[in-house]
Amino acid sequence: DSGVTQTPKHLITATGQRVTLRCSPRSGDLSVYWYQQSLDQGLQFLIHYYNGEERAKGNILERFSAQQFPDLHSELNLSSLELGDSALYFCASHRDYSNYGYTFGSGTRLTVV
Amino acid sequence: SQKIEQNSEALNIQEGKTATLTCNYTNYSPAYLQWYRQDPGRGPVFLLLIRENEKEKRKERLKVTFDTTLKQSLFHITASQPADSATYLCASARSGNTPLVFGKGTRLSVIA
Repeated sequence: DSGVTQTPKHLITATGQRVTLRCSPRSGDLSVYWYQQSLDQGLQFLIHYYNGEERAKGNILERFSAQQFPDLHSELNLSSLELGDSALYFCASHRDYSNYGYTFGSGTRLTVV
Repeated sequence: SQKIEQNSEALNIQEGKTATLTCNYTNYSPAYLQWYRQDPGRGPVFLLLIRENEKEKRKERLKVTFDTTLKQSLFHITASQPADSATYLCASARSGNTPLVFGKGTRLSVIA
C-alpha cells in the first residue's frame, strides 16, 4: 500500500456519460497530480493541485476538470466521455522539497464503451 | 517544450547480467531526473532521484548516472534477477515546482 488511495479501481461507462475519480493523497502530502496513461501515449500529465489551489495544467481536455478539497483529497471529473478516453488514470502525491519522488496510487481503469 | 525519450521499448537480458537503460532529454535542462518501476496494471513506484549537480547515485543493485553534456541518464541494474522484469520509466522536471514529464518507458525482461 503506497498510502495514496484511488477509487474506484475499475469503471465501465458509455460514451457521453460523466464520471468522477477520487484520490486521497499520502498523509502530509499537499501536492496532488493527475496523470493519464494509455498504451500509445505513456503517462501524460493532466493537472496539479497544491493545498487546494491549481498550480499547473498539462494536456487536459476542456471536458475534464479537477479540484482539491480542504481535506486535500482530489477529484477528477470526466464528462462527455469518448471511446478515446479509455485509459488508466493515476493520482500521485508529493511532499515538496524532498529527495523522494511521487507516490502513485494504484490507478482507476476507465473503459468507455 | 521539454521532451524526454527512452530509446528502447524493450530489453531482454540474461539473469545475472547488468541491465542498462537509457534516457535522453532535449530542449531544456532538468533540475533532476527520476526513475520509476511499473508493473502491469499498477502505479509507478519511485526508485531513484539524481540532481543536475550529481554525477552518480546508487541504491543497492541500482545505479543512476546523469550526464548534462550528453543530455542523458543511464539506469543500471546489476546482477539482474527475473523479479526485476518490469517497465522502467524515466522522468524529469525543470524545477522542484514543475510537474514531472515521463518517458514512455522501457520494458525489461530478465530471462532465467
